[in-house]
Amino acid sequence: AQSVTQPDIHITVSEGASLELRCNYSYGATPYLFWYVQSPGQGLQLLLKYFSGDTLVQGIKGFEAEFKRSQSSFNLRKPSVHWSDAAEYFCAVGGGGSNYKLTFGKGTLLTVNP
Amino acid sequence: DAGVIQSPRHEVTEMGQEVTLRCKPISGHDYLFWYRQTMMRGLELLIYFNNNVPIDDSGMPEDRFSAKMPNASFSTLKIQPSEPRDSAVYFCASRFRTGLAFFGQGTRLTVV
Repeated sequence: AQSVTQPDIHITVSEGASLELRCNYSYGATPYLFWYVQSPGQGLQLLLKYFSGDTLVQGIKGFEAEFKRSQSSFNLRKPSVHWSDAAEYFCAVGGGGSNYKLTFGKGTLLTVNP
Repeated sequence: DAGVIQSPRHEVTEMGQEVTLRCKPISGHDYLFWYRQTMMRGLELLIYFNNNVPIDDSGMPEDRFSAKMPNASFSTLKIQPSEPRDSAVYFCASRFRTGLAFFGQGTRLTVV
């Protein structure tokens, strides 16, 4: 069965500091990996995705993530955090083809201090 | 396209009442997903459809929950009778084939 673990429930960083949110997945084949962001009272917005190819993927809002198969990880990074990045971040894994389903991690809440 | 549209955005109902949540997927998308989000369990997939046909409903918690997709542009998730533990945010998402899934704004359900 596929699963996602986000070890950090809550992270606090200062504005301008770098950020790394951790994600580990379990999947029996080549995974499709995603990061979504959810602002309070809002739906989920896709930040970036990995399907294949270059293991370092760029997303919106200056975010990037690196797929490391040997570590079953897909960590999200941003070199300089802005106050508007405060939100909850979800990592998700899914397969391809007709059996595609997204399984989400429990999320990491990001607080940004001024 | 306006994206995935869910209604209502908020629903407060009394225990025992029937609740119907609605979703309009993005036009042309052939997959539709219903998720439930709670603090304790995070985001859980309840059921998904392909071309209006339910493919996997193993995430539906009980027989009190049912979902339908009568046509390509409309789906409902019904809870009857509702219970306080059903209180959550319910999300609908749609996608085209193996493309990206787009989520609606969600319906916040409170059962008192």
